[in-house]
Amino acid sequence: EVQLVESGGGLVQPGGSLRLSCAASGFTFSSYAMSWVRQTPGRGLEWVSTITSNGGTTYYADSVKGRFTISRDTSKNTLYLQMNSLRVEDTAVYYCGRTGQFDYWGQGSLVTVSS
Amino acid sequence: DVVMTQSPLSLPVTLGQPASISCRSSQSLVYSDGDTYLNWFQQRPGQSPRRLIYKVSNRDSGVPDRFSGSGSGTDFTLKISRVEAEDVGVYYCMQGIHWPRTFGQGTKVEIK
Repeated sequence: EVQLVESGGGLVQPGGSLRLSCAASGFTFSSYAMSWVRQTPGRGLEWVSTITSNGGTTYYADSVKGRFTISRDTSKNTLYLQMNSLRVEDTAVYYCGRTGQFDYWGQGSLVTVSS
Repeated sequence: DVVMTQSPLSLPVTLGQPASISCRSSQSLVYSDGDTYLNWFQQRPGQSPRRLIYKVSNRDSGVPDRFSGSGSGTDFTLKISRVEAEDVGVYYCMQGIHWPRTFGQGTKVEIK
C-alpha cells in the first residue's frame, strides 16, 4: 500500500525557516517524481514544487522560487521541502504527492507563519 | 500560467441524480505523446485530495464506475451518474502538462 506521511509543520515567525519531510513507503521511491502542493481557504490548491525521480531536475512555482528547495533522499525514502524566508502568505496545509500527476497524496502538514 | 476554470462552483444535487462539472483550460492540454493530461480530484470534508480520473477519462484504482471523465483539447467534464452521500466534497481539475501545474477553483458538491 502506498503511504506518504508528512511531518515538520508548525508555527514560525515571518522570515523564519522550516523543513517539511514526506516519508514514502509501499512503492519504489527512486522510480517516481515527487511533488509538493499547498492548500489555503482563500487560494485553493496551489502547486509548489516537483523533483524528478533521480533528483536531477526541479521545478518551482514563482511564488516560492529562490526561497524553497525541494530535495529527496533515496536511502531514506524521504522527500523534503526546505522553506526559508517564510512569509505570512505561505501559511497553508502542505501536501506531498507522488509524481507531477498526484496519483497519491499524504495527509498534509500545517505550516503557520505568524508573529 | 494555464488558467483552469471550473463551473459551477457550487452544485447542490439530489441523491440518486446525476451531476456534471465542467473544466476549461486556457491552453491545450495535449502533450507531444498524444495524451491529454487532465486530472480530476475529490476532496471529502476533512480529508486530503484523492485522484479520481487521470488523462481525461481513466479511473484510478478503486474509483466507482459512477464517476466518468470526458473531453478533449481545452474542454473537459466530470460526471457522476448517480450521486451518493459519500460523494459530498470539493472536486478539482488539474492540468498536468504545463509548468506551473495549475488547479481549478474547485466545485463544492452537496446534497439538497
